[in-house]
Amino acid sequence: DQQVKQNSPSLSVQEGRISILNCDYTNSMFDYFLWYKKYPAEGPTFLISISSIKDKNEDGRFTVFLNKSAKHLSLHIVPSQPGDSAVYFCAASARETSGSRLTFGEGTQLTVNP
Amino acid sequence: EAGVAQSPRYKIIEKRQSVAFWCNPISGHATLYWYQQILGQGPKLLIQFQNNGVVDDSQLPKDRFSAERLKGVDSTLKIQPAKLEDSAVYLCASSLGLGRTDTQYFGPGTRLTVL
Repeated sequence: DQQVKQNSPSLSVQEGRISILNCDYTNSMFDYFLWYKKYPAEGPTFLISISSIKDKNEDGRFTVFLNKSAKHLSLHIVPSQPGDSAVYFCAASARETSGSRLTFGEGTQLTVNP
Repeated sequence: EAGVAQSPRYKIIEKRQSVAFWCNPISGHATLYWYQQILGQGPKLLIQFQNNGVVDDSQLPKDRFSAERLKGVDSTLKIQPAKLEDSAVYLCASSLGLGRTDTQYFGPGTRLTVL
């Protein structure tokens, strides 16, 4: 049962353009969402998060949008840079879950071409 | 500030053998996590510790996997005996506390290959 899905395994964009990474979830109890970035041979690093009381959160070039009715979130990167090339994971947690368990999607490989 | 340390970085074993992974979290972080990431999938939580107590081990295959954090600092994850499907990257993460907004910091992982 894949509760968090990233349907695009890969995305390729030109430097300077917008990158849009998408994520869908099925568990209506999820109320906190995060994006992690992962370079090869490294662990994931936290990028940005959003609580379900908001529909948008911005941090520099990164903006996350949440559409609760559609159970969909997206990460926008503007402008995209070659250093942004990495695997991006969407993750979610539910208030009722013991501890702070994160449920991750499968990841999207972003390639930003110079 | 030193990050999360893990060793070994790579391990190759035969099925039915045993293997152990070690993790040293960021200093002062009370919460420690072990995740399993199978190729093509996202990380999946195996076990979560708060200091030396287990908070969540609902997804840990307890017939073959065990983990401990005896002194509330570093931790070991053991697989005994290993199966082919255990081939994965094992990630350790730590966070300051148990809150859901406490950022989880990941180590580089241990890549396990079971032949």
